[in-house]
Amino acid sequence: KNEVEQSPQNLTAQEGEFITINCSYSVGISALHWLQQHPGGGIVSLFMLSSGKKKHGRLIATINIQEKHSSLHITASHPRDSAVYICAVTGNQFYFGTGTSLTVIP
Amino acid sequence: DTGVSQDPRHKITKRGQNVTFRCDPISEHNRLYWYRQTLGQGPEFLTYFQNEAQLEKSRLLSDRFSAERPKGSFSTLEIQRTEQGDSAMYLCASSLGLAGGSEQYFGPGTRLTVT
Repeated sequence: KNEVEQSPQNLTAQEGEFITINCSYSVGISALHWLQQHPGGGIVSLFMLSSGKKKHGRLIATINIQEKHSSLHITASHPRDSAVYICAVTGNQFYFGTGTSLTVIP
Repeated sequence: DTGVSQDPRHKITKRGQNVTFRCDPISEHNRLYWYRQTLGQGPEFLTYFQNEAQLEKSRLLSDRFSAERPKGSFSTLEIQRTEQGDSAMYLCASSLGLAGGSEQYFGPGTRLTVT
């Protein structure tokens, strides 16, 4: 069993749609990270959360510590949002989800 | 460009050879992390440093792997007697060492192919 589970694994959306990616974890954490990885590209950190909610532009990340669950939302999705989104948690150890591959179609 | 650099970007080596990768973090970051990522999978933690001290090592890091950060700045990851299963992208990241965690900045990675 993976310590970090993401859903869905793959997601295709039409441009403009509201997108949600979910992350559940089973270990104690000090922080949860949402990362973005473009094909052939490096990894960019989008958010680091330990509680509540954060917003950057069209991206919103929330975390519920009691339920050990986080969501990443993308409003008004755009083809340039197409990438793999990875959830990672840090605490005593470091664990990554396997990623959600998002494709936004024009 | 996140400010974290890795060298080389690509390495092809024959099984049994030793390889060494270098990571230069953002200068004011005292934490440095090494991860490995295989195709279609998320990254896996290998090890991390707080300044020059190696504080955590994954069980994935066999005796053939060694990492150093001698002066608390750049770091090297060496793989001895490479095996085909070592083929992967090796990622480095750095962060400030803040209590409760801090954002990690990732390098572009070194892609290793063992033939």
